[in-house]
Amino acid sequence: EPEVTQTPSHQVTQMGQEVILRCVPISNHLYFYWYRQILGQKVEFLVSFYNNEISEKSEIFDDQFSVERPDGSNFTLKIRSTKLEDSAMYFCASRNPGRANTEAFFGQGTRLTVV
Amino acid sequence: AQSVTQLDSQVPVFEEAPVELRCNYSSSVSVYLFWYVQYPNQGLQLLLKYLSGSTLVKGINGFEAEFNKSQTSFHLRKPSVHISDTAEYFCAVTTPFGNEKLTFGTGTRLTIIP
Repeated sequence: EPEVTQTPSHQVTQMGQEVILRCVPISNHLYFYWYRQILGQKVEFLVSFYNNEISEKSEIFDDQFSVERPDGSNFTLKIRSTKLEDSAMYFCASRNPGRANTEAFFGQGTRLTVV
Repeated sequence: AQSVTQLDSQVPVFEEAPVELRCNYSSSVSVYLFWYVQYPNQGLQLLLKYLSGSTLVKGINGFEAEFNKSQTSFHLRKPSVHISDTAEYFCAVTTPFGNEKLTFGTGTRLTIIP
């Protein structure tokens, strides 16, 4: 069964460093998303990406964040200068926009720890 | 904008007992509704979804949910729980147009008591 894969599963970084979280969405999907879940809190939408551009972003997704689909298979989330409050589980998701298959499929997540 | 309320943050249930996890939503337009499960240290897995049609939807692992438009609810039920059902359960809503981003509730931690 096709699945969304994320790497790494856990990343520890020092405050102020740049991190890149990687995702490989399901191959025929066209919508891509990043969500995050701070420990003990709900899952929050960060950004959606369609047709090689951001289609929507939340207020969390400030200038420190960027997304890219560099090669037609990977979908990355970059945080330029990490803060302690960026520590969270980051989930990538993808979706086929057809009406009969509108559910989003999630990856296993990357746990980011900023120290 | 949509919102989701899961009133119960924690629900302890004895093994083999029935359970209902409550979810209420708010939206000015039609919605799609989902229940996702997160097992310890794992990602989000879809349990079931409501898009249209029959208001009673069945999902994996013996779970079902009923869409009630008048009460704006989408409660999740299982007639007999097992230890393996211990997990966090998230209700989520989206609208059937645009980029269909998901808005999640705060989650309900289901703990099964042997």
